[in-house]
Amino acid sequence: DQQVKQNSPSLSVQEGRISILNCDYTNSMFDYFLWYKKYPAEGPTFLISISSIKDKNEDGRFTVFLNKSAKHLSLHIVPSQPGDSAVYFCAASAVASGAGSYQLTFGKGTKLSVIP
Amino acid sequence: DSGVTQTPKHLITATGQRVTLRCSPRSGDLSVYWYQQSLDQGLQFLIQYYNGEERAKGNILERFSAQQFPDLHSELNLSSLELGDSALYFCASSVGNWVYTFGSGTRLTVV
Repeated sequence: DQQVKQNSPSLSVQEGRISILNCDYTNSMFDYFLWYKKYPAEGPTFLISISSIKDKNEDGRFTVFLNKSAKHLSLHIVPSQPGDSAVYFCAASAVASGAGSYQLTFGKGTKLSVIP
Repeated sequence: DSGVTQTPKHLITATGQRVTLRCSPRSGDLSVYWYQQSLDQGLQFLIQYYNGEERAKGNILERFSAQQFPDLHSELNLSSLELGDSALYFCASSVGNWVYTFGSGTRLTVV
């Protein structure tokens, strides 16, 4: 059972426009959420995170929004650049999962293509 | 270079065999995580070690085992390999939070 779902396997956006990547979760115990970005032949790299006590977190061109009641989060990239083309993974964790555990549950990823 | 080193990068082996994947964490990181990424799947959590001790276990098969050594490097042992074990295996390390540093992965192909 997929507890973290990224229903769009791929997304194409024009350079300069907004990219919106979506993620849904089913486990109500999740209270910390992250986005990782992955280029081919590399491991994922941390992008941005948000705690459940917030509904928005911003870092430069990247903003993550969290809607707890809908169990939904989204990553906005504005403006999108060709170098943003990568696979984006949504991940979630439950703080109460165990002392010092920090294990993450990942979605399947969304491949973003930013067209010049 | 992320600071997390995984070896080998590629591995091709036959069904029934045993392989060992190795991971050296980023300097200063005490936690090591192993994840499996099969075709069209997300990263599936296998196991976590913290400073030499097992801290959390995911859906890791009994045929798989891992350990973390005193120098903090970790090894993932996969035995009695099946075709379905073909996947990318990622190691990640962290200082003790959710911000992981991933290695570039080991691609295992079982034929």
